[in-house]
Amino acid sequence: IVMTQSPLSLPVTPGEPASISCRTSQSLLQSNGNTYLDWYLQKPGQSPQLLIYLGSNRASGVADRFSGSGSGTDFTLKISRVEAEDVGVYYCMQALQIPYTFGQGTRLEIK
Amino acid sequence: QVQLQESGPGLVKPSGTLSLTCAVSGGSISGSNWWTWVRQSPGKGLEWIGEIFHSGSTNYNPSLKSRATISVDKSKNQFSLKLRSVTAADTAVYYCTRGLTGTTLSDVWWFDPWGQGTLVTVSS
Repeated sequence: IVMTQSPLSLPVTPGEPASISCRTSQSLLQSNGNTYLDWYLQKPGQSPQLLIYLGSNRASGVADRFSGSGSGTDFTLKISRVEAEDVGVYYCMQALQIPYTFGQGTRLEIK
Repeated sequence: QVQLQESGPGLVKPSGTLSLTCAVSGGSISGSNWWTWVRQSPGKGLEWIGEIFHSGSTNYNPSLKSRATISVDKSKNQFSLKLRSVTAADTAVYYCTRGLTGTTLSDVWWFDPWGQGTLVTVSS
């Protein structure tokens, strides 16, 4: 499954919203009703960390300014008000079928 | 909470075998999780390599053309990756992570936590 993110670079002013798109080459909806799309953030010099799982569920400890939405092949990660600590590269990933695949990444930077 | 730590040589010669181990602490490797390897080539994105269940069941990325082998050592609470016939294209930061299962054992929902990663350079 091919994952396509946009934009690849996202300069944002602190306090402003941000949005990242992830489109997939096939639907991530399984017959059990789950949509197998996760979002990860890789902060500078760190390992990826889970933000959102199954399309729209915030992981434990993730700030509520992060939200995931979408269905089928079209997904969005939104940050309601960007903070300086949000800088890094955001990846979407599909866990529907092996091999699991990631998007190219979207680099968020502070203006 | 569960923590993962990768270890292994940082330099491997071309055509050699890359060998890494991931030590699991704070939890048992025998839980309902898929223990996973992911790599990141310099300046590039993330690539899923493969996974193992504590029973020994494995799945691999076909892009690696059968060069990868993942094994588990329950007595040491760790799992390992071997990648044969390496080239410069295998130079990357290698991460181990845990795939959490959902309603069934084949149903991976997300990867968490991740190890800190280890850089492996393929060079003579």
